[in-house]
Amino acid sequence: GAGVSQTPSNKVTEKGKYVELRCDPISGHTALYWYRQSLGQGPEFLIYFQGTGAADDSGLPNDRFFAVRPEGSVSTLKIQRTERGDSAVYLCASSLSPANYNSPLHFGNGTRLTVT
Amino acid sequence: GIQVEQSPPDLILQEGANSTLRCNFSDSVNNLQWFHQNPWGQLINLFYIPSGTKQNGRLSATTVATERYSLLYISSSQTTDSGVYFCAVERLKAAGNKLTFGGGTRVLVKP
Repeated sequence: GAGVSQTPSNKVTEKGKYVELRCDPISGHTALYWYRQSLGQGPEFLIYFQGTGAADDSGLPNDRFFAVRPEGSVSTLKIQRTERGDSAVYLCASSLSPANYNSPLHFGNGTRLTVT
Repeated sequence: GIQVEQSPPDLILQEGANSTLRCNFSDSVNNLQWFHQNPWGQLINLFYIPSGTKQNGRLSATTVATERYSLLYISSSQTTDSGVYFCAVERLKAAGNKLTFGGGTRVLVKP
């Protein structure tokens, strides 16, 4: 597609439930990233995939958070036993392979998660 | 980790005015990007500029990596320039767009 696509755009769930957030990166971008943005703050890094593998998951806050990218394209961020503190906008981004250089990051419109 | 400070935190402009936004960072970087988040929340990449100067229309940016700062210039501002401008960096010798964002500069351009 033309840009990074994220679904759903909004998700409301009850505390304790499981949620999945989906990201479809820009075609040809091998690097995929998840960030989280709380109200009034800048995005914070969660996890980065190069191809199918998680190259860096150091930003995941705890083991309730998990992400996969089984075929090296679409990625799913999974949150178990959601808590009210998980409420935020979850942003997905992609870039050309960083390999030996860096390249601009392009963000999707985000999924606004609200845990009640 | 690396610290990123942006100034000013808030900026109100009259349409047509020029402005300069600043980003200071605490460590050497090999990746610096400027983003605009519009009032609907969409983050748009403005510049990938780890060093040097770039221009894109009414916007330009300069990064002086040796002095650990970057500047974003907005000329002849328009109401559509309103939103939050973020600077984001990654430490030298890192790779992968694991960016650390500053707190942003909130810009309101009045007609």
